[in-house]
Amino acid sequence: QVQLVESGGGVVQPGMSQRLSCAASGTTFSDFGMHWVRQAPGKGLEWVAVIYYDGSTKYYADSVKGRFTISRDNSKSTLYLHMNSLRAEDTAVYYCARGRGIVRGALHYFDSWGQGTLVTVSS
Amino acid sequence: DIQMTQSPSSLSASVGDRVTITCRASQDISSSLAWYQQKPGKAPKLLLYAASRLGSGVPSRFSGSGSGADYILTITGLQPEDFGIYYCQQYFRTPPLTFGQGTKVDVK
Repeated sequence: QVQLVESGGGVVQPGMSQRLSCAASGTTFSDFGMHWVRQAPGKGLEWVAVIYYDGSTKYYADSVKGRFTISRDNSKSTLYLHMNSLRAEDTAVYYCARGRGIVRGALHYFDSWGQGTLVTVSS
Repeated sequence: DIQMTQSPSSLSASVGDRVTITCRASQDISSSLAWYQQKPGKAPKLLLYAASRLGSGVPSRFSGSGSGADYILTITGLQPEDFGIYYCQQYFRTPPLTFGQGTKVDVK
C-alpha cells in the first residue's frame, strides 16, 4: 500500500519562502518520478513540477519556474518543494503524486496521491 | 502546451444511468490520457490510464474510449458513491502535463 504524506503547509506572507515535504512509504521510492500538483480553492488541478526517479532532471510549470525548486532524497524516501517569492496566486492545496508511465522520463499519469497540504499566501 | 477541454462542466443523473464525459485535446495525444475522480476534500483517485485501462481496484462500470484528440469516460450504471468531480489529464507531452477543467457529477 503506497502512502504519501505531505507536510509543511501553512500561512505565509507574500514574498516569503516555504518548504513542503512528502514522505513516501510502501513503495520503492527511487524507482519512480515524482510530481507536485496543486489545486487553488474551488479550482481545478494544476501540474507544478516533476523530478526524475534519480533526481537528474526536473521540469516546472511556467507559473512557478524560477521561484520553485523540486528535489528529492531517495535515502529518506522524501520529496521536497522549495517555494520562494510566494504570491497570493500560489495559494492552493499541494499534492505530491507518484508518476507512472515511462520510467526514465516525465510523461506520467499519477497512480498514488498524498492527502495534500494547504499553503495560504496572505499578509 | 496541450489544452484539454471537458464537456459538460456539470451533470446530474440518476442511480443506474449511463453517464458520459468527453475530453478533447488540442492535438492528437495518442491515447496518453488518464481519468481521475475527486471527492470533496480528498485527493484525486486514478480511474483509467492509456485512455481505456482500468486503474487498480476501480470498478468495471467505469470505462474509457477514444483516440486521437477525442476521449470519453463512461460510467455504466451510476452508483450513489460516484458523485464528485472528474478530470482528464494528458501525458503525451511535458512540460507541462495538463488537466481538463473538470466535470462535476451529481447523483439525483
